[in-house]
Amino acid sequence: EVQLVESGGGLVQPGRSLKLSCAASGFTFSNYGMHWIRQAPTKGLEWVASISPSGGSTYYRDSVKGRFTISRDNAKSTLYLQMDSLRSEDTATYYCATGGRYYFDYWGQGVMVTVSS
Amino acid sequence: DIQMTQSPASLSASLEEIVTITCQASQNIGNWLAWYQQKPGKSPQLLIYGTTSLADGVPSRFSGSRSGTQYSLKISRLQVEDIGIYYCQQASSTPPTFGGGTKLELK
Repeated sequence: EVQLVESGGGLVQPGRSLKLSCAASGFTFSNYGMHWIRQAPTKGLEWVASISPSGGSTYYRDSVKGRFTISRDNAKSTLYLQMDSLRSEDTATYYCATGGRYYFDYWGQGVMVTVSS
Repeated sequence: DIQMTQSPASLSASLEEIVTITCQASQNIGNWLAWYQQKPGKSPQLLIYGTTSLADGVPSRFSGSRSGTQYSLKISRLQVEDIGIYYCQQASSTPPTFGGGTKLELK
């Protein structure tokens, strides 16, 4: 059974940093692209970033480029999202997901990130 | 970015009724279209990918179709467990983008 478990969320002040993790199990992690998708409170879904199976290619939405870094440790079957210079508009539930190309086959339960002073 | 315009924003339907949700892409995305269901308080789940292919475990009452740049999700006989918010999403180009969602409720 595919399992994705996010952690690392919380309340953080604007301008500060936070690192999210996503522990994967139930599939061969190193064979699949991984993604972060977020959902602001009562809002729709917004893709954030993706990384190739090897980690050699990364992709970001414009609003997080230069502030967020997606990475992965295939030996630990873990996905990361380093979030720097956080803004109030980054407040959301962050989901990790797996899937080929941009189809998001399996999702984690999500982790809440609140950016507020 | 490719805009995905979903309609209606909300929908109230009766059990066993046929339900159709549509999604209009702002440009050609071929068959790179997925549908997701999000039940209250839960993570989204993939229903359909490649416009018409059902994801693993998805009941056959769900189906997808396309006419040009308009895409449709059909539920042939609405069940209680189908209540939630439905999102379309284009997977054709970066950034992948989602429709605004359709909230499906029971009448």
